[in-house]
Amino acid sequence: DADVTQTPRNRITKTGKRIMLECSQTKGHDRMYWYRQDPGLGLQLIYYSFDVKDINKGEISDGYSVSRQAQAKFSLSLESAIPNQTALYFCATSPRGTGTYNEQFFGPGTRLTVL
Amino acid sequence: RKEVEQDPGPFNVPEGATVAFNCTYSNSASQSFFWYRQDCRKEPKLLMSVYSSGNEDGRFTAQLNRASQYISLLIRDSKLSDSATYLCVVLGSGSSNTGKLIFGQGTTLQVKP
Repeated sequence: DADVTQTPRNRITKTGKRIMLECSQTKGHDRMYWYRQDPGLGLQLIYYSFDVKDINKGEISDGYSVSRQAQAKFSLSLESAIPNQTALYFCATSPRGTGTYNEQFFGPGTRLTVL
Repeated sequence: RKEVEQDPGPFNVPEGATVAFNCTYSNSASQSFFWYRQDCRKEPKLLMSVYSSGNEDGRFTAQLNRASQYISLLIRDSKLSDSATYLCVVLGSGSSNTGKLIFGQGTTLQVKP
């Protein structure tokens, strides 16, 4: 089984709908992240959490919210989806610490299309 | 200016060729650097960390030049399976960046038979 899973893997929705993307991990890591990837722009950090009660905004948090329900679960919500939120979304985890512990492990991604 | 910049390519090379990618970063206080590999429509995966003295892993060699603030990745004897996008990644520094990775847009490599 994959260590970092994301659901759904693909989603097509309409403008104005509320969408939740879910991420679960079995790696026992404290830190979790949500990124979006657009062609030619690389990965942009949306939100991150270093512990269950810790939530921090990333570079592009407007229009998104998150919930860290447990150490293993971190969900991303789009309260009212808009077409420019069409992108590939990745969840990632990393252990607490520095140096080699900065490696992040990514889920398989969710392809979201907002019509 | 982007914090981490790469030439997006694509770099088209024949099998067996040697190819090098460079990446520049803007924050001189950055301490940790990485190369990630991303196959088409898949998740990024760590290829190698970049150490100050340079490091090698098989056909892959990573170098860091702090004075010029650039990182390089050299691939020798390219294989078809090396075709992917290579992401230059820098660990953010400073109070607002601690623990966050900053990704370049990636350089695409196509190795042809």
